Amino acid sequence: GQNIDQPTEMTATEGAIVQINCTYQTSGFNGLFWYQQHAGEAPTFLSYNVLDGLEEKGRFSSFLSRSKGYSYLLLKELQMKDSASYLCAVMDSNYQLIWGAGTKLIIKP
Amino acid sequence: DVKVTQSSRYLVKRTGEKVFLECVQDMDHENMFWYRQDPGLGLRLIYFSYDVKMKEKGDIPEGYSVSREKKERFSLILESASTNQTSMYLCASSFWTSGSMVTGELFFGEGSRLTVL
Repeated sequence: GQNIDQPTEMTATEGAIVQINCTYQTSGFNGLFWYQQHAGEAPTFLSYNVLDGLEEKGRFSSFLSRSKGYSYLLLKELQMKDSASYLCAVMDSNYQLIWGAGTKLIIKP
Repeated sequence: DVKVTQSSRYLVKRTGEKVFLECVQDMDHENMFWYRQDPGLGLRLIYFSYDVKMKEKGDIPEGYSVSREKKERFSLILESASTNQTSMYLCASSFWTSGSMVTGELFFGEGSRLTVL
């Protein structure tokens, strides 16, 4: 079966760095996505990786290793507004998205 | 800005009632999707559509139907609501993508939280 695993909840301190991991087992691979979802709001797109390596976008970076079925989202200089759920999703060989359950990130002052 | 609008943020219905959830997008996207989101589970795809009058079943279509009469509008219908359909329903849209040009970025609506009593 197809499976996406990510931690349920993480806590970090304002100003620090946090890494949210995502491992996957899917039928084929056409890219991995990270979305951010604040409580009660719509998910919004953060990043897309289809090749191995690190993609940097401001304070947020996303890494992919296809051979290991592994990705992480790195958030630097954490701000209180980064408190949200972070959703990992993989597009399989049929171009369908398989979603993880999301990681709730709690930022403490 | 892309806008995906869902007609109702909160609904309370009784078991057996027919429920309509409406979704409209203003970016001329070909693809539209209906997901449900439940605690501890990933987003689960109910139905999707790649074109007007076209629909495809997702992972959990049982108990649901959809309608796409116009490109900008995608409706989710619960013919006879049941308590296990209490959930957050998310509509999303995206441009058509193909082969090597896949990006698949989805634009989501705010969600419709449905409670079935």
